[in-house]
Amino acid sequence: QSALTQPASVSGSPGQSITISCTGTNSDVGRYNLVSWYQHHPGKAPKFIIYEGSKRPSGVSNRFSGSKSGNTASLTISGLQAEDEADYYCCSYAGSSTLYVFGTGTKVTVL
Amino acid sequence: QLQLQESGPGLVKPSETLSLTCSVSGASISSISYYWGWIRQPPGKGLEWIGSIYSNGSTYYKSSLKSRVTISVDTSKNQLSLRLSSVTAADTAIYYCARHTMGAVAPWGQGTLVTVSS
Repeated sequence: QSALTQPASVSGSPGQSITISCTGTNSDVGRYNLVSWYQHHPGKAPKFIIYEGSKRPSGVSNRFSGSKSGNTASLTISGLQAEDEADYYCCSYAGSSTLYVFGTGTKVTVL
Repeated sequence: QLQLQESGPGLVKPSETLSLTCSVSGASISSISYYWGWIRQPPGKGLEWIGSIYSNGSTYYKSSLKSRVTISVDTSKNQLSLRLSSVTAADTAIYYCARHTMGAVAPWGQGTLVTVSS
């Protein structure tokens, strides 16, 4: 099971919007509506910010939004803020034997 | 509030077995319909799911690690365990435990760094 493909880095200025893509296959992202996204500040526990492709857990800013088209899921951060600078990972359910596959990770830089 | 805390040796010799424990507080590890899993992050690399155990005791492992991994729970201590045998330098990583469903992994422990070196 290969990792989902994400861009290595994405950057933007404060207030701008950025989008991170997450490309899988029809065995994971394309097959299940079970993509989640995680924000990871180094040295801290990853924090989940999107589940089931587009749902936000309680307490997560509505500046984070998720979507999916075919085998590619996307995370959009609008109104970029300095605190959004972190690594972001997608993750997809991949069936009853493999269970999970993570993305390669994207470093978001706020210019 | 559910909290998870990993513990175990920070240094393991090559070819030996890595053993970690995850102590769970704020909820029962026997909770129905949840998975409890291990995820790792090698230095400078991304997250990698290692494996999980479901509330009914079924275990699921990443195929490339399956021959070396054992995940179990001790319900009397409310703990999750990971054993990874025949370790090499490639197993050096921060190891996280977490509770998850099919749709999301949360919460996570803070992680513990394990270095494989002689």
